[in-house]
Amino acid sequence: NAGVTQTPKFQVLKTGQSMTLQCAQDMNHEYMSWYRQDPGMGLRLIHYSVGAGITDQGEVPNGYNVSRSTTEDFPLRLLSAAPSQTSVYFCASSRNEGNEQFFGPGTRLTVL
Amino acid sequence: DAKTTQPTSMDCAEGRAANLPCNHSTISGNEYVYWYRQIHSQGPQYIIHGLKNNETNEMASLIITEDRKSSTLILPHATLRDTAVYYCIVRAAPYNDMRFGAGTRLTVKP
Repeated sequence: NAGVTQTPKFQVLKTGQSMTLQCAQDMNHEYMSWYRQDPGMGLRLIHYSVGAGITDQGEVPNGYNVSRSTTEDFPLRLLSAAPSQTSVYFCASSRNEGNEQFFGPGTRLTVL
Repeated sequence: DAKTTQPTSMDCAEGRAANLPCNHSTISGNEYVYWYRQIHSQGPQYIIHGLKNNETNEMASLIITEDRKSSTLILPHATLRDTAVYYCIVRAAPYNDMRFGAGTRLTVKP
């Protein structure tokens, strides 16, 4: 199993550009989440999904959209990038409620 | 979810036990205590979790006080590779959203 994979590893955007961060897992996990981590801080939840077709907001959802059309994929869309969205983005998945989360390697995003 | 309080940083000698405390005085009866760690800038790694009984696995032990208001993560024989930020999180299943605080930066020294 590849586990949780994220692409790209690094990305530089200009203010106002849009892009999609990709996340995929091959463990048939129902739960998937997106977090952001700013320098020196813990992770903050952006959006999460309890299964295909179901998504919900976390702590810091503004400026981001998600969809879950398949069990495997959970892309995160930045609609109009802002410098405040410069961060490291982690995707995670887990089998179901109460189970440990498996995290991807992260995407380092810089918005100029 | 209940909030947690952890020391900002701790040091430990290589080969000794590392004891990382966590206070969660407002924990509810249905909330679990989870521990994750983050090595350098990698994605967080699950360590262990428990409800009210002490737990042990191949990585660590989790000691939860009887009143459940605090807990301690024990790494029995710390190595240099255990240097990381350790996060204590309390949350109620079935919700899967994990609320990470700033954690404790553990430095294992030779």
